Amino acid sequence: AQSVTQLDSHVSVSEGTPVLLRCNYSSSYSPSLFWYVQHPNKGLQLLLKYTSAATLVKGINGFEAEFKKSETSFHLTKPSAHMSDAAEYFCVVRGYSTLTFGKGTMLLVSP
Amino acid sequence: SQTIHQWPATLVQPVGSPLSLECTVEGTSNPNLYWYRQAAGRGLQLLFYSVGIGQISSEVPQNLSASRPQDRQFILSSKKLLLSDSGFYLCAWSRSSYNSPLHFGNGTRLTVT
Repeated sequence: AQSVTQLDSHVSVSEGTPVLLRCNYSSSYSPSLFWYVQHPNKGLQLLLKYTSAATLVKGINGFEAEFKKSETSFHLTKPSAHMSDAAEYFCVVRGYSTLTFGKGTMLLVSP
Repeated sequence: SQTIHQWPATLVQPVGSPLSLECTVEGTSNPNLYWYRQAAGRGLQLLFYSVGIGQISSEVPQNLSASRPQDRQFILSSKKLLLSDSGFYLCAWSRSSYNSPLHFGNGTRLTVT
């Protein structure tokens, strides 16, 4: 069995400040983990993926995430938020045959 | 490179009418294919997935059905739409390896009136 918990339903930041979106997971297997971004009325776009290689994963648009097995976490970060980062973000865990989505975190960026 | 096409982008249909949403993938062969529904405030719900032509697994019993007539074509259908079928429908593909990510189409906004 596996699960994923996104700890915040909404996160608000000012433009130029750091972004932290939190994700905790549980999995019976060595999981693969992904972060996706969804802009309004659009599909989900893959930001980055962890598949048991380096624990610090760099993605597109300046995002990165660190896999911490001891904490069962895979938090998404960005050093400086941009207005265009305002969107909904999904953490996803993939086990042997199943894929589980978190409920999403809405990122709000104010000028 | 691989691309996924999903259409139409928006659709307004009356209750009781049929539905057909189409999704095609280019640039890869024998992909796994998925249909998800995203209702407001309810996250993503897996409806169907397919690992090959003619092979469909249903995750949620409902009045929707899916078909895969060709390797890279996935169709979502209904004979009679219900109001509760309204939502945002997303098609996705992945490679068959278990650690492959899903790649999504741009979605179809379905409103049943």
